[in-house]
Amino acid sequence: AQSVTQLDSQVPVFEEAPVELRCNYSSSVSVYLFWYVQYPNQGLQLLLKYLSGSTLVKGINGFEAEFNKSQTSFHLRKPSVHISDTAEYFCAVSVNNFNKFYFGSGTKLNVKP
Amino acid sequence: EAEVAQSPRYKITEKSQAVAFWCDPISGHATLYWYRQILGQGPELLVQFQDESVVDDSQLPKDRFSAERLKGVDSTLKIQPAELGDSAMYLCASSSWTSGEGSYEQYFGPGTRLTVT
Repeated sequence: AQSVTQLDSQVPVFEEAPVELRCNYSSSVSVYLFWYVQYPNQGLQLLLKYLSGSTLVKGINGFEAEFNKSQTSFHLRKPSVHISDTAEYFCAVSVNNFNKFYFGSGTKLNVKP
Repeated sequence: EAEVAQSPRYKITEKSQAVAFWCDPISGHATLYWYRQILGQGPELLVQFQDESVVDDSQLPKDRFSAERLKGVDSTLKIQPAELGDSAMYLCASSSWTSGEGSYEQYFGPGTRLTVT
């Protein structure tokens, strides 16, 4: 079975500071990995995805993530956050391209002025 | 840019009443998903359609929930009767195969926030 663990339920950070949101997954087969952002009372919007190739993936809004197969991790990073980045972030996996997605429990990023 | 449409955006209903949500996926997307997202948790798959057929409804509480996608386009999710524990965000998503990348990608609608009183 596949599972996704987001280790931090909440991450407070000051504006312009760097941030890392952690994601670990459990799967015995190849996975595709995704990060989504959700603003209050809205749906999920894709930030970035890892399918293959370079393990460092760049997404929208200045976010990037690094796939680490040996540690089964896909941590999301941003070198300098803005107030507007305050939202909830979800890590997700798709296994063997089966068109099925499994989500973590989310990390709430709270950017303070 | 094409979007997944959902209505209503907000719904307040009393327990034991019936409630229905509607979703119109992006044109041409064969796969449609209904997720339930309880506050503070990630989306949980309720039902997945491939065209008009259900491919996964293992987590759908079938005694009170039903879903249909009669013509393989738009879809309706119904709850009857609603219970207090059904209060959640109901998200619809659709996906397509991206041949250039060799993967599926999901697109989400804005969701329906259900409050059962």
